[in-house]
Amino acid sequence: KNQVEQSPQSLIILEGKNCTLQCNYTVSPFSNLRWYKQDTGRGPVSLTIMTFSENTKSNGRYTATLDADTKQSSLHITASQLSDSASYICVATGGSQGNLIFGKGTKLSVKP
Amino acid sequence: DTEVTQTPKHLVMGMTNKKSLKCEQHMGHRAMYWYKQKAKKPPELMFVYSYEKLSINESVPSRFSPECPNSSLLNLHLHALQPEDSALYLCASSRETGQAGTDTQYFGPGTRLTVL
Repeated sequence: KNQVEQSPQSLIILEGKNCTLQCNYTVSPFSNLRWYKQDTGRGPVSLTIMTFSENTKSNGRYTATLDADTKQSSLHITASQLSDSASYICVATGGSQGNLIFGKGTKLSVKP
Repeated sequence: DTEVTQTPKHLVMGMTNKKSLKCEQHMGHRAMYWYKQKAKKPPELMFVYSYEKLSINESVPSRFSPECPNSSLLNLHLHALQPEDSALYLCASSRETGQAGTDTQYFGPGTRLTVL
């Protein structure tokens, strides 16, 4: 069964600190993996997208890594800001129809 | 312009009402999607349109009726909904569908639907 699991479910950090979110996926055939940021009540916004041949991709203070062998990905946030408070969703593309398979997300709260 | 717009932002309707959700993009994308998202849950795919043709219907009840009048517009017609249909309805678009490599899905801000 194609699925994406994320950890932790929620995370609270202080402003200025770094954090790392984890994602494990079981998707076959696998096409690519994306990280989205979703503010409460808003649509998801794409942060990074990586194919199986890419190990890392950065977008400002966000750096995503992908290990296609272990089927794990991480999203590292550097020097967190209050505006980083949101849900971060890991999404794998694949399966027979190339659909998006969503993880349940990690809810990040950045406190002053 | 990398924006997907959705109207209305909020909608409250009774179970006997008929309403429509609208989605628009001007990025030249040929794939458009409807998702339903309940609180604290990931989005669930409802429908996929590819080149204005319905390509995927994820066993959605007939009280939800999608329509793609042209390549830029996507509607979701609602009729005889149930309170459990209350959710955030997200529209998305991408260049193509299927095993499309690195095509990103761009999401709209969503319509918050409440069924009384």
